[in-house]
Amino acid sequence: SYDLTQPPSVSVSPGQTANIPCSGDKLGDKYASWYQQKAGQSPVLVIYEDNRRPSGIPERFSGSNSGNTATLTISGTQVMDEGDYYCQAWDSDTYVFGTGTKVTVL
Amino acid sequence: QVQLQESGPGLVKPSETLSLICTVSGASISGHYWGWIRQSPGKGLEWIGYVYHNGGTNYNPSLMSRVTMSLDTSKNQFSLKLNSLTAADTAVYFCARVYCSGTNCRTYFDYWGQGTLVTVSS
Repeated sequence: SYDLTQPPSVSVSPGQTANIPCSGDKLGDKYASWYQQKAGQSPVLVIYEDNRRPSGIPERFSGSNSGNTATLTISGTQVMDEGDYYCQAWDSDTYVFGTGTKVTVL
Repeated sequence: QVQLQESGPGLVKPSETLSLICTVSGASISGHYWGWIRQSPGKGLEWIGYVYHNGGTNYNPSLMSRVTMSLDTSKNQFSLKLNSLTAADTAVYFCARVYCSGTNCRTYFDYWGQGTLVTVSS
């Protein structure tokens, strides 16, 4: 099976940049997507196809994907960006989620 | 605006079968993939499987032996059945959509339901 690994937590100060890595074998050859999940809510798609933002997602969210690592970048992080973030890829006709990263803004 | 809403029992006994329904509004169920994802308390997201717009299915290999998904186009709903339940199946179950344009389907879930908590306990 295909595995995606993320750090359990990332801390960032308000206004600074948060980088959240997601590692998987040859992940750069696949499309990576990212979801934000706030406490008690369902996940929300924030990045798809490596670096595309859905309508309504702020420009401070961006993504990249190369080699074995996809990265979600939150520029000018705001307190409202706190939550859990999951990467996701499609491999061999299955949808795989990363282990998740808790982002704390303090 | 596409909306999905899960419904079903919140408590199921061990060894029994879980049955959930997802009702879709704002989009026809006759296109796209329709998926189920679950999240155990305090844990990450686990893809369960999806049902195609034509009724075909694709399941997570780890759950394949216990899962059945189907569509009801007359009601614009799709369903999940998971049998031989244990406490490890206690989770919030989400339904979600993968957008398809003809046979070209995306690699991500664009719309999600709010989720429903299912507890497996006697």
